[in-house]
Amino acid sequence: AQTVTQSQPEMSVQEAETVTLSCTYDTSESNYYLFWYKQPPSRQMILVIRQEAYKQQNATENRFSVNFQKAAKSFSLKISDSQLGDTAMYFCAFMKWGGGAQKLVFGQGTRLTINP
Amino acid sequence: NAGVMQNPRHLVRRRGQEARLRCSPMKGHSHVYWYRQLPEEGLKFMVYLQKENIIDESGMPKERFSAEFPKEGPSILRIQQVVRGDSAAYFCASSPLFPKDSASYEQYFGPGTRLTVT
Repeated sequence: AQTVTQSQPEMSVQEAETVTLSCTYDTSESNYYLFWYKQPPSRQMILVIRQEAYKQQNATENRFSVNFQKAAKSFSLKISDSQLGDTAMYFCAFMKWGGGAQKLVFGQGTRLTINP
Repeated sequence: NAGVMQNPRHLVRRRGQEARLRCSPMKGHSHVYWYRQLPEEGLKFMVYLQKENIIDESGMPKERFSAEFPKEGPSILRIQQVVRGDSAAYFCASSPLFPKDSASYEQYFGPGTRLTVT
């Protein structure tokens, strides 16, 4: 079974700073997807960024980028030029690849607060 | 293209009553997933359904919980004889039947139903 661990329950930074959220996972699969989801106070789950395990290049989406270290089973999220609207819970998630759609396995989450 | 719809958004039930949570997937999506989020925790997988079939129910409690996704109409998560420990946010997600590329494996989430058992 796969497990996902987020070791930082809470983080807080000033607006415009850069922040990195950590995520590690455990799996015996060689092909899989990794995701970061954002959950603001509205509780809506919003996909932030996606990484395919077979791709060596780290994914980027505007101010969001990942550091994917497959051998270390590490998948951290970097938010540059943080904004007040980035305040939310952030969840790292794992999905096994292949055989059609699969379930997501989530970490416990990191509560990120951006201070003005 | 309307997103994933869930209703009701908030549901209050007394202990022992039944709760029915509904989920309408995005247009063109035939995979539905249900997740539960207890307070201050991450989402936990419950069940994965396709039309008229339960594909994976490894996360469902053995008793009182059931799910269906009929040929017509929304997917239903049913909780019988609710207890206080069932109080949580229940999220539904959907994805396409035939993924065209890696992006098609993404699951699109509804706004959730917050169940409170008094």
